[in-house]
Amino acid sequence: DTGVSQDPRHKITKRGQNVTFRCDPISEHNRLYWYRQTLGQGPEFLTYFQNEAQLEKSRLLSDRFSAERPKGSFSTLEIQRTEQGDSAMYLCASSLGGTYYEQYFGPGTRLTVT
Amino acid sequence: AQTVTQSQPEMSVQEAETVTLSCTYDTSESDYYLFWYKQPPSRQMILVIRQEAYKQQNATENRFSVNFQKAAKSFSLKISDSQLGDAAMYFCAYRSRGSQGNLIFGKGTKLSVKP
Repeated sequence: DTGVSQDPRHKITKRGQNVTFRCDPISEHNRLYWYRQTLGQGPEFLTYFQNEAQLEKSRLLSDRFSAERPKGSFSTLEIQRTEQGDSAMYLCASSLGGTYYEQYFGPGTRLTVT
Repeated sequence: AQTVTQSQPEMSVQEAETVTLSCTYDTSESDYYLFWYKQPPSRQMILVIRQEAYKQQNATENRFSVNFQKAAKSFSLKISDSQLGDAAMYFCAYRSRGSQGNLIFGKGTKLSVKP
């Protein structure tokens, strides 16, 4: 069990550029979550997948954000036309089905928009 | 909407001593889960302890225990025999039993452990 992995770990981009992050969940986990954590705050929910279906999106997820999970395996989170306010740590978590099960978090991708 | 409040931005404890981190939450639901997560510096978040709201007995995991007061909507974490490795950000989190599973986090408490 290699745990949840995220790539890249750090990303610096200029305002207006597009960025894409990848999350590889624990292999048998069918649920995958994206959270955003800004400095001094706890993580905030962005979106959730069960297998390949995106079942819930937070109002924090503006039209510039899109997430996919093709074939129910890895997931990508894309931010188009980045803004300085997008600077944050983007966390991915995965779990088995059902709200009882623990969410395992990845190390996160730290995005800095200059 | 549910909210989670951690009123202590920072706490400090002497090694081997006991410390209690506070958490309150607001919800109109009767069935939910509460969690404490630990986020060490530059490392990923890990689950410390979980409490089901329908259970009256407080959860314990080795040196970690909770004081769950459902009526008061309070969920504090007690760390006994504190160790240097306990130094981290601690987040209290709420999950509705009927939700898809997304967690609602507090702002966190930074715990320092003095040798």
